[in-house]
Amino acid sequence: GDSVTQMEGPVTLSEEAFLTINCTYTATGYPSLFWYVQYPGEGLQLLLKATKADDKGSNKGFEATYRKETTSFHLEKGSVQVSDSAVYFCALLGDYGQNFVFGPGTRLSVLP
Amino acid sequence: NAGVTQTPKFRILKIGQSMTLQCTQDMNHNYMYWYRQDPGMGLKLIYYSVGAGITDKGEVPNGYNVSRSTTEDFPLRLELAAPSQTSVYFCASSPRGFSGNTIYFGEGSWLTVV
Repeated sequence: GDSVTQMEGPVTLSEEAFLTINCTYTATGYPSLFWYVQYPGEGLQLLLKATKADDKGSNKGFEATYRKETTSFHLEKGSVQVSDSAVYFCALLGDYGQNFVFGPGTRLSVLP
Repeated sequence: NAGVTQTPKFRILKIGQSMTLQCTQDMNHNYMYWYRQDPGMGLKLIYYSVGAGITDKGEVPNGYNVSRSTTEDFPLRLELAAPSQTSVYFCASSPRGFSGNTIYFGEGSWLTVV
């Protein structure tokens, strides 16, 4: 079945550091890929998405490119802020799937 | 625009008690989901529904029941609460399952079983 693998956290960075959170997936066909963010005490919110190969999703300074050749959708940000501290979830929706599949989440802590 | 609304937000149950988590969405989405999130873990799918009158088991359905009598509502029932059901529960919805659809989450329900 479909699955999503994320780098294990927690990740701790200083403010203005570069961020990469790795995400790889296993799925048949051409899934859509998503990054969701969960701030403390809140539900998950969509951060960005990409629906086909080579698409780049971007939002709030975060970017991720859908790489079918490496089955990856790594999340990047050039300069993180303390307010980016949260848990980040990579997810996919398969071509004919009815269910979203989520990775385990990566906790990011940004120190001032 | 309310989106996905869950109630209650917090609840403490005693072992063996029953309760229902309510979920309502006002976006006319066909697909609805219940997930649980254990501390430090990712989301696990409990049940989902692709439309009124249709429900299916997810990854971790044991100890739970659902119903979908209307497009808007998707309640989750715990019949005999156990400590292993202490978790955060998220209801979610999405449009009919075409590629690229986003899933919208409620704010979560924190449940403790003691």
